[in-house]
Amino acid sequence: QKEVEQNSGPLSVPEGAIASLNCTYSDRGSQSFFWYRQYSGKSPELIMSIYSNGDKEDGRFTAQLNKASQYVSLLIRDSQPSDSATYLCAVNKNTGFQKLVFGTGTRLLVSP
Amino acid sequence: DGGITQSPKYLFRKEGQNVTLSCEQNLNHDAMYWYRQDPGQGLRLIYYSQIVNDFQKGDIAEGYSVSREKKESFPLTVTSAQKNPTAFYLCASSNGRSPYNEQFFGPGTRLTVL
Repeated sequence: QKEVEQNSGPLSVPEGAIASLNCTYSDRGSQSFFWYRQYSGKSPELIMSIYSNGDKEDGRFTAQLNKASQYVSLLIRDSQPSDSATYLCAVNKNTGFQKLVFGTGTRLLVSP
Repeated sequence: DGGITQSPKYLFRKEGQNVTLSCEQNLNHDAMYWYRQDPGQGLRLIYYSQIVNDFQKGDIAEGYSVSREKKESFPLTVTSAQKNPTAFYLCASSNGRSPYNEQFFGPGTRLTVL
């Protein structure tokens, strides 16, 4: 079992729709969770972080965390073609310092 | 302008050569990291440093070396012992050791072995 799992996709949604990206993790002691967006050929860009159970909203993005079920999700409302990218889920293991474990990413395609 | 810079953007190496990738940050961050990214795989941690003059091996340190002589600099050397060095190399930094601190990435160096 991988430490952080994501569906590789591609996830295809029409412009204006809600895109839902999911991530599961294996270490129940994980403390913090991050979503990065990576355009093709570019480096990852941090878009959301979440630490507590529940929802966290930032503009069109909402991160959701459920520690009991060990999953974290990212919702993108009003999806735009410019949102087309690979979204990486990263989980900080309970190691006493900030060591992130990354999923392989979900490719999102937003069609006009 | 605060941020992380990496150079060069593209690097070509012949087999048997050592190469050094540069990473500089002016964010005043204590911690710095090196990752490698291969197609279809997640980012994998090579080395990390939480403070000047100290660094630790990550998950895939074999064939790599680092130094941390200055807070703002964390160069990575890819040695000839690294069996499959062709990859996208990413440097990151974060402010302190807390698990809640966010990591930010530089633009990356794409290394190709000829």
